[in-house]
Amino acid sequence: DARVTQTPRHKVTEMGQEVTMRCQPILGHNTVFWYRQTMMQGLELLAYFRNRAPLDDSGMPKDRFSAEMPDATLATLKIQPSEPRDSAVYFCASGKGEATEAFFGQGTRLTVV
Amino acid sequence: AQTVTQSQPEMSVQEAETVTLSCTYDTSESDYYLFWYKQPPSRQMILVIRQEAYKQQNATENRFSVNFQKAAKSFSLKISDSQLGDAAMYFCAYGDDKIIFGKGTRLHILP
Repeated sequence: DARVTQTPRHKVTEMGQEVTMRCQPILGHNTVFWYRQTMMQGLELLAYFRNRAPLDDSGMPKDRFSAEMPDATLATLKIQPSEPRDSAVYFCASGKGEATEAFFGQGTRLTVV
Repeated sequence: AQTVTQSQPEMSVQEAETVTLSCTYDTSESDYYLFWYKQPPSRQMILVIRQEAYKQQNATENRFSVNFQKAAKSFSLKISDSQLGDAAMYFCAYGDDKIIFGKGTRLHILP
């Protein structure tokens, strides 16, 4: 059963702490997206990769967010230092090629207190 | 830059009736994809239907169909014979190289 796996599912952390979210894309998918979902902004695209290379990270606050793909089976999104306004659900999605479809993980609900 | 607009934050429909969700988008590209995703309370994002811009025929998937008007940059979703399980947040999305989403329409099904 091919699926995108995200860990952790839930994370509560204190302001100022580092947060790392992980994503395992579907085997054979070469495109990975990171989205943030909030009530006010909906689903915002933070960054995306193709063949492990970052193509666009203009949606991310550069001073505190970073996204990487150490290998084809792992994508990470890091926030350092975290702030209460970062509280949201973070989704990873993967796909084949250019925007033919995005398969979503179950998301990480992040709460920064 | 491409944008996706869903002008209806919330809608309600009686069970077994038909409802149409609206979506408009802006792009200068001629080749792209359009999507409708469903997000139930479980939070899982589920693809409902996909349309390729070069295809004139409107996509259908069982009770779900779209009205794709390329010149007007409009992409509405019609749900026929609404069921209680259709209650969810629905997102319209546009993709050429990346995929971007509208802010969603929350659909309530009235028994």
